Amino acid sequence: NAGVTQTPKFRVLKTGQSMTLLCAQDMNHEYMYWYRQDPGMGLRLIHYSVGEGTTAKGEVPDGYNVSRLKKQNFLLGLESAAPSQTSVYFCASSYSIEDLDIQYFGAGTRLSVL
Amino acid sequence: SQQGEEDPQALSIQEGENATMNCSYKTSINNLQWYRQNSGRGLVHLILIRSNEREKHSGRLRVTLDTSKKSSSLLITASRAADTASYFCATDGTGANSKLTFGKGITLSVRP
Repeated sequence: NAGVTQTPKFRVLKTGQSMTLLCAQDMNHEYMYWYRQDPGMGLRLIHYSVGEGTTAKGEVPDGYNVSRLKKQNFLLGLESAAPSQTSVYFCASSYSIEDLDIQYFGAGTRLSVL
Repeated sequence: SQQGEEDPQALSIQEGENATMNCSYKTSINNLQWYRQNSGRGLVHLILIRSNEREKHSGRLRVTLDTSKKSSSLLITASRAADTASYFCATDGTGANSKLTFGKGITLSVRP
C-alpha cells in the first residue's frame, strides 16, 4: 500500500497564478484533510471532507477551494496564489472507529509563491 | 485555534537518556494523540490515549494524561539518535463536529 500520496512535492508559483494539489489515498478512508504547516504555527486545518462529494471549511479556508469527487482523491486548489500562501501543505486521511480519529499523512507539498 | 501547547519548544539530550515532553490543552477532550515528524516528512501517529485512561505504553513510549490538569506527557526512554524529530500533541474534542487540533510541536535532538 502506498498510503497517502501527494503531488507535486515542490512547486514555485508567481503571485496570481493558480494550481491544484492532488492527494490520493489507497486505504479506503472516509475522511480526508488538508493542512498547512508554517514555522512556529504548527498544523492548521484548511478544509476537510467526511466522505465522497462532501467538503467543509477548517480553521484557515480563505483563498483555497477543495473537491472530493472520488473517495480516494482530495484536491486543493489555489485560484490566485499570494505570497502568504507560501507554506508546506499536508494531506491526511483517516477512518473513525469508536470516535477515534487516527490520521495518516502524506509527505507534503512545498509551495513557494513569489 | 490551537488547543494543545507543547513544552518545552526544544529539547536536546544525549543518546540513552530519557526525553519528557509535555502538552497542555484548554477544553474537554475525547482523546489525545502524539505524532512524530521527521525532517522533511509527514506526521506519523505514535500513540493515542483516551480521556478515561491515565497511562499507556507502547514500546519505549509512555504517555500519561491528567484530565483534571488538562495535561499530558510523552516519555521516550533510552533515546536513540533516530528519535531526533519534532513531536506534536493533538487533541480530539468532545463536540459533534470536533476535529483533531495540533499543537506547535517540540523539536527533540538526540546527540549520539
